[in-house]
Amino acid sequence: AQSVTQPDIHITVSEGASLELRCNYSYGATPYLFWYVQSPGQGLQLLLKYFSGDTLVQGIKGFEAEFKRSQSSFNLRKPSVHWSDAAEYFCAVGWGGGGSNYKLTFGKGTLLTVNP
Amino acid sequence: NAGVTQTPKFQVLKTGQSMTLQCAQDMNHNSMYWYRQDPGMGLRLIYYSASEGTTDKGEVPNGYNVSRLNKREFSLRLESAAPSQTSVYFCASTVLDWGSDQPQHFGDGTRLSIL
Repeated sequence: AQSVTQPDIHITVSEGASLELRCNYSYGATPYLFWYVQSPGQGLQLLLKYFSGDTLVQGIKGFEAEFKRSQSSFNLRKPSVHWSDAAEYFCAVGWGGGGSNYKLTFGKGTLLTVNP
Repeated sequence: NAGVTQTPKFQVLKTGQSMTLQCAQDMNHNSMYWYRQDPGMGLRLIYYSASEGTTDKGEVPNGYNVSRLNKREFSLRLESAAPSQTSVYFCASTVLDWGSDQPQHFGDGTRLSIL
């Protein structure tokens, strides 16, 4: 069965510091991988996705993620964090029978706090 | 604006009351989903509908029913609400082509409290 693990429940970084949020997945086939961000009281916004091809994917807001098949990982990075990046981040794996049967399984999230 | 619309945004119920959460999308998507979000648990799939007229259970379906009224609308019903169903509920819809920019579109959520 598919699963997603985000080992860090809560991370605190200083503004301007670099950031890496970890994500490990378990899925038998080639995964579709996603990172979403959720600000307090808001819905989910897609940051980036990996389907195939280049294993380093660029997203919005200066984020990037690297797919490493050998490690079953899809870690999210940002070189310099801004106070507005404080939010909860969710990694997800897409799976299913194709077309209308695609589903997402989410990790439990990592809460990011940014200190001034 | 095109997207997924959920109503209501907030609701407080008493234990045992019934409630239907509404969701509508205007993007002509085939598939629609209901998730619940609880602190420290991420989003968990309750039910989904791959197309009009079909529904299937997700990870946490107990205590819920769904109706895919038409291609646009997918409702979630709590027949006898329990405090354990206090949560934030998200509806989503998806395109067939997951190579597109935005595979799943999410609504803004319904915050439901059951006393």
